[in-house]
Amino acid sequence: GAGVSQSPSNKVTEKGKDVELRCDPISGHTALYWYRQSLGQGLEFLIYFQGNSAPDKSGLPSDRFSAERTGGSVSTLTIQRTQQEDSAVYLCASSFIGYGSNEQFFGPGTRLTVL
Amino acid sequence: TQLLEQSPQFLSIQEGENLTVYCNSSSVFSSLQWYRQEPGEGPVLLVTVVTGGEVKKLKRLTFQFGDARKDSSLHITAAQPGDTGLYLCAGWVNTGNQFYFGTGTSLTVIP
Repeated sequence: GAGVSQSPSNKVTEKGKDVELRCDPISGHTALYWYRQSLGQGLEFLIYFQGNSAPDKSGLPSDRFSAERTGGSVSTLTIQRTQQEDSAVYLCASSFIGYGSNEQFFGPGTRLTVL
Repeated sequence: TQLLEQSPQFLSIQEGENLTVYCNSSSVFSSLQWYRQEPGEGPVLLVTVVTGGEVKKLKRLTFQFGDARKDSSLHITAAQPGDTGLYLCAGWVNTGNQFYFGTGTSLTVIP
């Protein structure tokens, strides 16, 4: 497709289970971002991939969170041993170049609910 | 403490009214962007401002970047119900490669 896609769109899981969230960025975009958004709030930065450089993981809230980007394209955000406070919408974005004023294109998000 | 604070957090106005949303920081930004997000969707870029004092107009929306590049404002003239959404400022801090989003302003325009 032409835009950023994310799957699943909704995920309901039980506390303590692991979840994987997938992001397919726009082809050719070198930068990929993951954010977390609580209802009606701003975006909380989680992790940033730029080309083949080591990712910026400074926003990950705990060691239960990890992310990979395979082949410079698809990314997976993994949350281990989910907690209720992990419930949020997880947004992925990609841009052509990471620095400066380049536009980030967002996917529709994955709504995660931890029961 | 958020690096980019937006005010007001919530705003509900009648169609046809004017409004201003503010985005403030104690840090200097190399550029600032404004995004709008509708329910169930990701944010969509409205504008990027890069020069201190810069003013950009997009139809009924006017964006301004502060002279010191620490703040920005979004002014909407004659608001319409289609303007309803979450408005987010965002930008790159001048001293590094960190990108931050603001706290968000939820706007509701009542017909």
